[in-house]
Amino acid sequence: EVQLVESGGGLVQPGGSLRLSCAASGFTFSSYWMHWVRQAPGKGLVWVSRINSDGSSTSYADSVKGRFTISRDNAKNTLYLQMNSLRAEDTAVYYCAREMDTAMFDYWGQGTLVTVSS
Amino acid sequence: QSALTQPRSVSGSPGQSVTISCTGTSSDVGGYNYVSWYQQHPGKAPKLMIYDVSKRPSGVPDRFSGSKSGNTASLTISGLQAEDEADYYCCSYAGSYRVFGTGTKVTVL
Repeated sequence: EVQLVESGGGLVQPGGSLRLSCAASGFTFSSYWMHWVRQAPGKGLVWVSRINSDGSSTSYADSVKGRFTISRDNAKNTLYLQMNSLRAEDTAVYYCAREMDTAMFDYWGQGTLVTVSS
Repeated sequence: QSALTQPRSVSGSPGQSVTISCTGTSSDVGGYNYVSWYQQHPGKAPKLMIYDVSKRPSGVPDRFSGSKSGNTASLTISGLQAEDEADYYCCSYAGSYRVFGTGTKVTVL
């Protein structure tokens, strides 16, 4: 059974840092591109970042470029999102998602809540 | 990286059909046949309903269908059922990026 389990969310002050993890199981993690998608409270889904299967290529939404870093450890079947210089507008539930085919997210984690507040 | 435009809400009675539009540009929806749709119930993770504009994953009822014309993609729910009440989001490939729609709340009257 495919599972994606996020962790690492919590309350952080503006300007602070947080690292999210997404533990994958039930599939060959190293074969798939992975993404982070976020959803602010009461708002819609917003694409954040993606990484290719071997970690050699990444891309970011303009709103997080230069502040967030996506990475993966295929030996540990884990996806990461390092978030620096956090702002109030980064407050959201962060989901990791597997991209089965182009723009086709077939499995999602349950999400982890990040709250940026003083 | 502007969000794709969806109507804020649509509604219909059980058994009726509703259609949700998703309007982008030639750099995303109009440029590729890589549009997907997601259903999200409150407090839950999104669920894939349509991919590659009109393909349905196994397990998704055939009353969900997708199409595209120019820069606008559409999701149609035929034979609306109570359990279809949820938020729906489109998503498009846009080169190095992916872009989601603004979301549509479907209400079953």
